[in-house]
Amino acid sequence: QTVVTQEPSFSVSPGGTVTLTCGLSSGSVSTTYYPSWHQQTPGQAPRTLIYNTKTRSSGVPDRFSGSILGNKAALTITGAQADDESDYYCALFMGSGIWVFGGGTKLTVL
Amino acid sequence: EVQLVESGGGLVQPGGSLRLSCAASGFTFSTYWMTWVRQAPGKGLEWVANIKRDGSEKYYVDSVRGRFTISRDNAKNSLYLQMNSLRAEDTAVYYCASQSSGDFAYWGQGTLVTVSS
Repeated sequence: QTVVTQEPSFSVSPGGTVTLTCGLSSGSVSTTYYPSWHQQTPGQAPRTLIYNTKTRSSGVPDRFSGSILGNKAALTITGAQADDESDYYCALFMGSGIWVFGGGTKLTVL
Repeated sequence: EVQLVESGGGLVQPGGSLRLSCAASGFTFSTYWMTWVRQAPGKGLEWVANIKRDGSEKYYVDSVRGRFTISRDNAKNSLYLQMNSLRAEDTAVYYCASQSSGDFAYWGQGTLVTVSS
């Protein structure tokens, strides 16, 4: 069974840039997996930031960007702010209607 | 204003059943795939099931296939999840979300399901 992998945790300084990645336990992530990225703060519902690799959802600031880096999907946050401190989840489309979320990355801004 | 409001969660014994509902408003419900995503306490998100716009296609994660049934009523702008043979590991907050072209565009606030004796 294919597992979607993410860094368990990451830290970034205020104003800094950080790139979170989303990979597969077997194989490479490409645009055909329609990678999406979702932000969740404790006690809140998730919010979609990026879908179809690099399309920003409505209202998402352009300091959030998505891409494919090597064999992984990537979420880059440029000019990190204190309220970016959240859990970030990627989701990949596995075909046959099935989606799989990664385990999430806890981002600390300090 | 777009709203997705889940209901129907609660405490149920192992082996029991529960039916979750998700009421949609503020967007054209019938033009979106709809999805259930769950989150166990302290854990990450898990995709559970989705259903095509007209209900003709339904897909499930392996762990719930055969026990859970997703359905929708476009006339009532509502999504459902019938959960049977519930297990302790089904304990989670269940979110409904709309999907269009890969975009989980809208999310509800979730409803908590607790499976315990």
